[in-house]
Amino acid sequence: DIQMTQSPSTLSASVGDRVTITCRASQSITNYLAWYQQKPGRAPSLLIYKASTLESGVPSRFSGSGSGTEFTLTISNLQADDFATYHCQQYNPNSPTTFGQGTKVEVK
Amino acid sequence: QVQLRESGPGLVKPSETLSLTCNVSGGSMSGYYWSWIRQAPGNGLEWIGYVYNAGSTIYNPSLRSRVSMSLDTSKNQFSLKMTSVTAADTAVYYCARGVGAADFDSWGQGTLVPVSS
Repeated sequence: DIQMTQSPSTLSASVGDRVTITCRASQSITNYLAWYQQKPGRAPSLLIYKASTLESGVPSRFSGSGSGTEFTLTISNLQADDFATYHCQQYNPNSPTTFGQGTKVEVK
Repeated sequence: QVQLRESGPGLVKPSETLSLTCNVSGGSMSGYYWSWIRQAPGNGLEWIGYVYNAGSTIYNPSLRSRVSMSLDTSKNQFSLKMTSVTAADTAVYYCARGVGAADFDSWGQGTLVPVSS
């Protein structure tokens, strides 16, 4: 299976900050990567797919980049509603889809 | 907008079979991949499998020997069965929709299934 490693595991930030989360794949996944936001007690919600395409309705302060094995999720101008856990997911063809372990963005 | 809702027993005993159903409303089931994903307490997400088309399936190899999924488009639902459960199968189980074997754009609210005697 393709292993996905997120860093950091926890990130402390303040409203207005620019936040970056990294996701590394154990082998190249081209751009077959998605990002999700999950709040406590809630299901994950799709933010970005194909590494950099914003899901409809997601605020433009969220952006994704990367290809191959290294990817980033950036939240510019962090809002109070953005404190949550973020997960990456790879869906490389012919491989079982797998998720990273999650990154919690908490209040500094 | 499509909505998904999981249903099933609140508790399963070790060695028994876990059965869950996902009801889909607000959209067609045709052309999508329907998945089960679980999250053990304090852990990350684990994909269990897809069911799509007329009932084709793809399972996570780590769970394949214990899992089966089915699709009933006439009832707008799909189902999961997992046999021989242990405490390690205790998790919140989500159903989700995918546009192909890719990302998941709609999720159910999730249902906690404890495995305990």
